[in-house]
Amino acid sequence: DTEVTQTPKHLVMGMTNKKSLKCEQHMGHRAMYWYKQKAKKPPELMFVYSYEKLSINESVPSRFSPECPNSSLLNLHLHALQPEDSALYLCASSPTNGPGELFFGEGSRLTVL
Amino acid sequence: DAKTTQPNSMESNEEEPVHLPCNHSTISGTDYIHWYRQLPSQGPEYVIHGLTSNVNNRMASLAIAEDRKSSTLILHRATLRDAAVYYCILRDSGANNLFFGTGTRLTVIP
Repeated sequence: DTEVTQTPKHLVMGMTNKKSLKCEQHMGHRAMYWYKQKAKKPPELMFVYSYEKLSINESVPSRFSPECPNSSLLNLHLHALQPEDSALYLCASSPTNGPGELFFGEGSRLTVL
Repeated sequence: DAKTTQPNSMESNEEEPVHLPCNHSTISGTDYIHWYRQLPSQGPEYVIHGLTSNVNNRMASLAIAEDRKSSTLILHRATLRDAAVYYCILRDSGANNLFFGTGTRLTVIP
């Protein structure tokens, strides 16, 4: 199984809602990543977890709250988002830190009304 | 992180080879050169990576200049399915991050 699965594929939420994005991999990878991608722009790194601990936070606003409950799962909790947070949110995983490849999911497309 | 420079867009005819250039003049000795591509409506997909020597895999070849200040991704025979944005990325061997640049949008003409 070489897949990174993201759910939901599409999410529409209001600015006062609380929702979560979920990412799952069963490749035994110990590094997991969240990226944000706006239309026609490259993906922007948000968070990196290494061995279930947050190792990188790229100055992301606190309305985005990541969680890594175990080595296979990565969540992104969303609260009080703004319309400009509408984007494609991509999850990725890699075996460890270092030069190896990242495996990406297909993303969750978020629309904030 | 060291930067890369790529052309914004390129075109290729179907079934012809494609050479996608990347400049990385500030590369450090521990930076690996990675290439990813992103097809429409999909997440990025790993293509190839290398350090100093040229590399080949089933998807592509990576040619690295002797001074490592530039590299070229070679698709030997472009198909319509190769139409995508191709990203050239430098990644330190000890890093647990991957920063995307603006990439090259490849259009394949039937």
